Amino acid sequence: AQTVTQSQPEMSVQEAETVTLSCTYDTSESDYYLFWYKQPPSRQMILVIRQEAYKQQNATENRFSVNFQKAAKSFSLKISDSQLGDAAMYFCAYRETGTASKLTFGTGTRLQVTL
Amino acid sequence: KAGVTQTPRYLIKTRGQQVTLSCSPISGHRSVSWYQQTPGQGLQFLFEYFSETQRNKGNFPGRFSGRQFSNSRSEMNVSTLELGDSALYLCASSAGGFGTEAFFGQGTRLTVV
Repeated sequence: AQTVTQSQPEMSVQEAETVTLSCTYDTSESDYYLFWYKQPPSRQMILVIRQEAYKQQNATENRFSVNFQKAAKSFSLKISDSQLGDAAMYFCAYRETGTASKLTFGTGTRLQVTL
Repeated sequence: KAGVTQTPRYLIKTRGQQVTLSCSPISGHRSVSWYQQTPGQGLQFLFEYFSETQRNKGNFPGRFSGRQFSNSRSEMNVSTLELGDSALYLCASSAGGFGTEAFFGQGTRLTVV
């Protein structure tokens, strides 16, 4: 079974600074998808960024980028120019291709943004 | 375009009762998945419905069941509630093809007393 591990329960960053959240996963599949979701206090899960395993290029979305290391099974999220609105729980998630919507989540990292 | 709508937002039930939660997906989406979120177990996949058929199922007891209607709306039912069923239940909708993203609702907070 696939597993997703987030080893940082909590992280803190100052506004305008950069922070990196770590994620590792275990799978025997060669093709799959990886995601970072954000869950603010409103509880709604919001997709931050996605990465297809067959793509070597790291995904970027504005201030958010990933460092995808397929051989190491590592998928970290970098948030640049952190803003107060970035404070939330961040979940790393894995999905196989061919099984549509089932997501396997990590335990989450709570990100605090300070002034 | 309206997002994923879950009702009710909050629910308090007594042990032994049953409960039904509802999820209306984004218009045009045919896949609905359900997740349970608890502090102890984190986010766990319950099941997925696609075009009224259960396509995938997680590791939950038979007390947890679901269904999907022809308009893609889905309901989740939990019978004989236990204290441990207290959780945030999240619904996610997607178009259903491979590679499509899942969009989540705001969840239903169920408290079992």
